[in-house]
Amino acid sequence: GEDVEQSLFLSVREGDSSVINCTYTDSSSTYLYWYKQEPGAGLQLLTYIFSNMDMKQDQRLTVLLNKKDKHLSLRIADTQTGDSAIYFCADQNQFYFGTGTSLTVIP
Amino acid sequence: GAVVSQHPSWVICKSGTSVKIECRSLDFQATTMFWYRQFPKQSLMLMATSNEGSKATYEQGVEKDKFLINHASLTLSTLTVTSAHPEDSSFYICSASRDRATWGGNGYTFGSGTRLTVV
Repeated sequence: GEDVEQSLFLSVREGDSSVINCTYTDSSSTYLYWYKQEPGAGLQLLTYIFSNMDMKQDQRLTVLLNKKDKHLSLRIADTQTGDSAIYFCADQNQFYFGTGTSLTVIP
Repeated sequence: GAVVSQHPSWVICKSGTSVKIECRSLDFQATTMFWYRQFPKQSLMLMATSNEGSKATYEQGVEKDKFLINHASLTLSTLTVTSAHPEDSSFYICSASRDRATWGGNGYTFGSGTRLTVV
């Protein structure tokens, strides 16, 4: 199956930007997704990017896709304490999730 | 929007008993639902794909006799953990898509998860 990898932890100060990175191996994915999981809860779809795009902006969220390097990133501008959660990237089929990045926002 | 309800949110059971977890799509029909297992501080692992009206497709290493999946209608899939043991304690999450294919930015809608503790 596909390998989807993420850094495990990220800590930022409130108001700063957060950048969460993801690398994947399946180049056939047409869509790539970002999900947010709060403690003890299911996953919430945050945003997605189509594979023929390099960038997608959605309010405070910016997704960058480097298809050549198979690298995906999620930038959260003006990070708030409510953004503290685990963030997962996933490929089109969403069978394979990244390892998850635990974001901690320090007030 | 698409809503998936998962029940119960948490359950504690004695070792050797069976537990049933329900996953319902409330406002759409889901021909396919997925069951995941998540260990603490780890990612989601796909356990099986549940297809309405047919047998579930299990991922390698998942015991089909232990984790019984039934998808009897277009809005309901159930996962039964049979003869549960402490090592089955985990967070179980289901997901469903309103579309037969995975195309598009809809993604899948996830249930809120079930925390199973076997004592």
